[in-house]
Amino acid sequence: SQQGEEDPQALSIQEGENATMNCSYKTSINNLQWYRQNSGRGLVHLILIRSNEREKHSGRLRVTLDTSKKSSSLLITASRAADTASYFCESGGGADGLTFGKGTHLIIQP
Amino acid sequence: GAGVSQSPSNKVTEKGKDVELRCDPISGHTALYWYRQSLGQGLEFLIYFQGNSAPDKSGLPSDRFSAERTGGSVSTLTIQRTQQEDSAVYLCASSLSGGTAWETQYFGPGTRLLVL
Repeated sequence: SQQGEEDPQALSIQEGENATMNCSYKTSINNLQWYRQNSGRGLVHLILIRSNEREKHSGRLRVTLDTSKKSSSLLITASRAADTASYFCESGGGADGLTFGKGTHLIIQP
Repeated sequence: GAGVSQSPSNKVTEKGKDVELRCDPISGHTALYWYRQSLGQGLEFLIYFQGNSAPDKSGLPSDRFSAERTGGSVSTLTIQRTQQEDSAVYLCASSLSGGTAWETQYFGPGTRLLVL
């Protein structure tokens, strides 16, 4: 199964600042997806970017994909306290024993 | 060691019938999650069990969907009066405690449900 690796592992910023998280993967993909998980909750799908796309926007989220570097970034603009969560990427879109990495743990300081 | 297992691996049913999907989490994992994934889409969270707490059912799309977790281990997801839009891969995941977001979720291989 595909596994994304996110960095940084932890990120603490002030409310209102932008947060950028990165993800790297190992093999060719059809699409890459970012998820958020709040403490003690299930994964929530944020955004999907296809392998033929380079950038995608959804509200305050901006995702980029560089297939030559096998990397993706998630930018959250104008961060809010409610954005405090862990963020995970997953590549491949398959259903064979999906495994997520440890994620980037984002803390928004009020 | 044994991972998360799900059964059946594939299920074809007729519209209007009920189906039951089973998930066996990793032994010792107290948190269990159900998701579904439609073709080419991201995971859609359905329901979350954590220990003996009341489950988080916020993701269930309708009252035709229900899930149980007996004895804190095996879980069944039941879909009543299936509709064609229920066709998807249903994925189960477990994690050690589910108490924080700092945990890896381990996913099973999924059940591919096709409603004709």
